[in-house]
Amino acid sequence: AQSVTQLGSHVSVSEGALVLLRCNYSSSVPPYLFWYVQYPNQGLQLLLKYTTGATLVKGINGFEAEFKKSETSFHLTKPSAHMSDAAEYFCAVSGSLSGSARQLTFGSGTQLTVLP
Amino acid sequence: DSGVTQTPKHLITATGQRVTLRCSPRSGDLSVYWYQQSLDQGLQFLIQYYNGEERAKGNILERFSAQQFPDLHSELNLSSLELGDSALYFCASSAYRDSTEAFFGQGTRLTVV
Repeated sequence: AQSVTQLGSHVSVSEGALVLLRCNYSSSVPPYLFWYVQYPNQGLQLLLKYTTGATLVKGINGFEAEFKKSETSFHLTKPSAHMSDAAEYFCAVSGSLSGSARQLTFGSGTQLTVLP
Repeated sequence: DSGVTQTPKHLITATGQRVTLRCSPRSGDLSVYWYQQSLDQGLQFLIQYYNGEERAKGNILERFSAQQFPDLHSELNLSSLELGDSALYFCASSAYRDSTEAFFGQGTRLTVV
């Protein structure tokens, strides 16, 4: 069984400030972890993923996330928010041994607002 | 642009009706996944097809069915529609049977009235 908890359904930051979106997971097998972004009226776009290896993962648009096994966390960060970052962000876990996309379990999402 | 095309973008229909949602995967991708995004259930995996055959089922209702055709496009059929079926339906595709990464289309917003 696997699950994802995203803390904070809405997060607001000022332009230029640090973005921190929190994600905790549970998985009965070593997890594959993902962050997706959804812009209004768009599909989901993969930001970054962790499968194995280095625990600090860099993604697109300046985002990165760190896998912390001891904390069962995979928080998403960006040093400096831009207005274009305003969107909904989804954390997902794949708990299958193969990490298949069909096994993705998504969190409930965090709406990021960037204030001028 | 992910390369995954979904039609129609919006669909409004009455309760009890049947609709078909269409998905064209990225060129060369053999796997197609269908997801439902609703306010109360969030994003949920419905079903996967790989190279024309059903690969895995998720939380898909018996009133719903899907298929993948020889040209690899897929259709999701929703019948006996209820108000609660109103949601955003996403199609995603990936190259392989068990890919870790899937590319999502823009979705079809279904409204049942």
